[in-house]
Amino acid sequence: DGGITQSPKYLFRKEGQNVTLSCEQNLNHDAMYWYRQDPGQGLRLIYYSQIVNDFQKGDIAEGYSVSREKKESFPLTVTSAQKNPTAFYLCASSLWGNQPQHFGDGTRLSIL
Amino acid sequence: KNEVEQSPQNLTAQEGEFITINCSYSVGISALHWLQQHPGGGIVSLFMLSSGKKKHGRLIATINIQEKHSSLHITASHPRDSAVYICAVKSTYTVSLGDSGGGADGLTFGKGTHLIIQP
Repeated sequence: DGGITQSPKYLFRKEGQNVTLSCEQNLNHDAMYWYRQDPGQGLRLIYYSQIVNDFQKGDIAEGYSVSREKKESFPLTVTSAQKNPTAFYLCASSLWGNQPQHFGDGTRLSIL
Repeated sequence: KNEVEQSPQNLTAQEGEFITINCSYSVGISALHWLQQHPGGGIVSLFMLSSGKKKHGRLIATINIQEKHSSLHITASHPRDSAVYICAVKSTYTVSLGDSGGGADGLTFGKGTHLIIQP
């Protein structure tokens, strides 16, 4: 079955560490997105990518980095520069243009 | 700046009741999405619409472009409908600010409506 796989489901980070969240899709979608969800707030866009080897900053890109070396994969690195990384992170993908986005099950990141 | 407002924020109803969740937005859009988020966090896309009305099972979504308003209705509600329902819009206006980022091609989300259906 086609879908989006995010791993791990739960992730703990020590202060000062970088961590990478995985997102893989086998839907043959061109576009992929990373969102952050905080309690009581709507999802906010961190980064998105329309095609391989290209990506754009979203509304809250500071402290994050991404890569898009393969169509299927769009990993997100939460760097030590992100001062408040504790949140729920969702990856999504879609065909390009005005198409529905398919979401993964999310990764919950916590700081130890 | 595009704002997406949902109401109510929280809704508790009895099984069988007709449910309405509202979404208002402030800018021109090319599409509006209704999403469902279950307690585990995963999100499912319910509808994408740009005009009129769509129906899937007991769910109905309507949109009024002139009034910048959409509603999600659930008929004959059931406890398994308990979830957070999220409205999201894709603006027709995209701002590109180069390296400083800003306004992108993703969706703008409402804060969600937390629905509980009691048996």
